[in-house]
Amino acid sequence: DQQVKQNSPSLSVQEGRISILNCDYTNSMFDYFLWYKKYPAEGPTFLISISSIKDKNEDGRFTVFLNKSAKHLSLHIVPSQPGDSAVYFCAASAFQGGKLIFGQGTELSVKP
Amino acid sequence: GAGVSQTPSNKVTEKGKYVELRCDPISGHTALYWYRQSLGQGPEFLIYFQGTGAADDSGLPNDRFFAVRPEGSVSTLKIQRTERGDSAVYLCASGDGDNEQFFGPGTRLTVL
Repeated sequence: DQQVKQNSPSLSVQEGRISILNCDYTNSMFDYFLWYKKYPAEGPTFLISISSIKDKNEDGRFTVFLNKSAKHLSLHIVPSQPGDSAVYFCAASAFQGGKLIFGQGTELSVKP
Repeated sequence: GAGVSQTPSNKVTEKGKYVELRCDPISGHTALYWYRQSLGQGPEFLIYFQGTGAADDSGLPNDRFFAVRPEGSVSTLKIQRTERGDSAVYLCASGDGDNEQFFGPGTRLTVL
C-alpha cells in the first residue's frame, strides 16, 4: 500500500530550464509535506516543506505547490542547474515532527 | 554545527548474527527517527523517539528489531538473528519535533 507515489523514476532537463517533479498521495490525514534531495552515499537533505493550510511555498529557486483536492504536490526548480542533479524524494506526515512516509524518488539529471 | 552522525558507515555480517547501529543526533534535538532504505526505494519508517521514549514504533518489521535511546540523545538500533532481507541502508534523523528532520549519512548493512 504505497501512500506516497512518485510515478516518474527519472527526469532529464536542460540547464536553465524548469524542472517539475510530481508526487501523489492517498492518505487524507497527511498534513505536512516535504521534499528531500539525495546524493549517492549521503543521507537525504531537506529542501522545502509545505503545510496543508497553504497551497504554495517558495524558497529561492524552489517552489512547492500543493493541491489538496487532487492529493498532489509538485516541486518546481527554476532555473535548473547541473548541481541539482540528484534523487528527489517527496514525503508526507500526519503532523509536523511525525514519522515521514516517502515516495520512491525521482532521479533528476540536469544537462549543461 | 555538527550534523547527525552514524556508526559504523558500513557493516557486513553473517546471517544469524546480532548487530548494533549507532546514531548521534544533532545536539539539542529531542526527536530521533530511524528509517531504512532498500535499493531503488524511498526511506521506510521504523521507529521514532521523543526524548527517551518510543513515540511510534509501528514501522519495526518484527521482534528481531529493537531500538533504545536511554538518555534522550544517542540511539542504538539492534537487530537480532539477522537475515539477508535485512540488508539495506539504515538512516537516522533528528529534529526538534516540530519541523523538518535532518538525516545522517546512513549505515550500509550487508547480511551474507
